[in-house]
Amino acid sequence: EADIYQTPRYLVIGTGKKITLECSQTMGHDKMYWYQQDPGMELHLIHYSYGVNSTEKGDLSSESTVSRIRTEHFPLTLESARPSHTSQYLCASRGDTTDGSYEQYFGPGTRLTVT
Amino acid sequence: GNSVTQMEGPVTLSEEAFLTINCTYTATGYPSLFWYVQYPGEGLQLLLKATKADDKGSNKGFEATYRKETTSFHLEKGSVQVSDSAVYFCASSGGSYIPTFGRGTSLIVHP
Repeated sequence: EADIYQTPRYLVIGTGKKITLECSQTMGHDKMYWYQQDPGMELHLIHYSYGVNSTEKGDLSSESTVSRIRTEHFPLTLESARPSHTSQYLCASRGDTTDGSYEQYFGPGTRLTVT
Repeated sequence: GNSVTQMEGPVTLSEEAFLTINCTYTATGYPSLFWYVQYPGEGLQLLLKATKADDKGSNKGFEATYRKETTSFHLEKGSVQVSDSAVYFCASSGGSYIPTFGRGTSLIVHP
């Protein structure tokens, strides 16, 4: 059972509002990720972090920002929401395994609608 | 760069039918390969993985074999159930801790 949480699960807000999507994990993983999932299901990496005070932009250009002040917490902020930000946002963390590989754990997602 | 290609859906089957979802990859080196499943309204869950050539990953009746010679990792299940209806993602590990995902394949199983 993955111990990674996202809040809120659903959010409807008006254009121009500032919002923060929360993501927390209790597994002590250094590497964390934010994905945007479009209606066609494809995942787009928008931000990632290798550890505290490390953040990088992903492949998809995004107007959001992230911070990583604590290992367990990786919030995503939109300073001014627009209808084009309407999407499903998935947070994930990655833990190394004893076979030299890794496993990625996903939160349940936040479905954001900007009106 | 790395890429993962999986068959487009939706795949529609009757209960107890045989399932195959094709996945091929391109990568430098020898990536680990994964199948994830996403049920409606949820995040992705790891279904199975394989870390080297000829490895077979298996879980919940699903299987996939890491085929280096054909760069493939096809997902199979002998007898699907209605509860298997979901979206399935194939993925490969990346050298810089960034995995590469396929576009997802929707599976619909009818009673």
